[in-house]
Amino acid sequence: DAGVIQSPRHEVTEMGQEVTLRCKPISGHNSLFWYRQTMMRGLELLIYFNNNVPIDDSGMPEDRFSAKMPNASFSTLKIQPSEPRDSAVYFCASSLVGGQQYGYTFGSGTRLTVV
Amino acid sequence: LAKTTQPISMDSYEGQEVNITCSHNNIATNDYITWYQQFPSQGPRFIIQGYKTKVTNEVASLFIPADRKSSTLSLPRVSLSDTAVYYCLVRGIISSGSARQLTFGSGTQLTVLP
Repeated sequence: DAGVIQSPRHEVTEMGQEVTLRCKPISGHNSLFWYRQTMMRGLELLIYFNNNVPIDDSGMPEDRFSAKMPNASFSTLKIQPSEPRDSAVYFCASSLVGGQQYGYTFGSGTRLTVV
Repeated sequence: LAKTTQPISMDSYEGQEVNITCSHNNIATNDYITWYQQFPSQGPRFIIQGYKTKVTNEVASLFIPADRKSSTLSLPRVSLSDTAVYYCLVRGIISSGSARQLTFGSGTQLTVLP
């Protein structure tokens, strides 16, 4: 398995533009998580899905952020409009919930810079 | 939600054993304890998980006392390449099948010196 795949690896955009981050989880994993990491706030959970259904989006900063998981092999995180304070590394992770497997597998992240 | 507390940083020398302790006072019955390692510009990597007593794998050991309010990650004979941030994370399954508490603490920056 290629692991969790995120795209793009780097994104530079101007304030006000729409940004879409993509994630392909590990095949067979039934939970998917979006995290944001900054020096100031560390790793923050934004939203997670279980069996493609959003379970908890309380970490989503505001209405400018939205996430979808149309099927078990794909998820997107969208920011519209983007702002400089959204600059961070965004990680996607997947996990098998149930049984004895609780560890996440993280992707390599998308480094977002909003100028 | 189970909140975790770890030391911000630790230094060690090559070849030494390193123990990093995490406190999680309000851990729930169904919660597991997991530890992750993160290098710069990479996503966190799962190291080990446990529920109680001791767990050992090829890279680390995890010690959990009977009350489960803390856990200690033990790295035997560290090398320079073990310099990284280490996070403990408490998570579990609620009755509906969803996962609970998925927010990482601030982590411990381990620096291994030659």
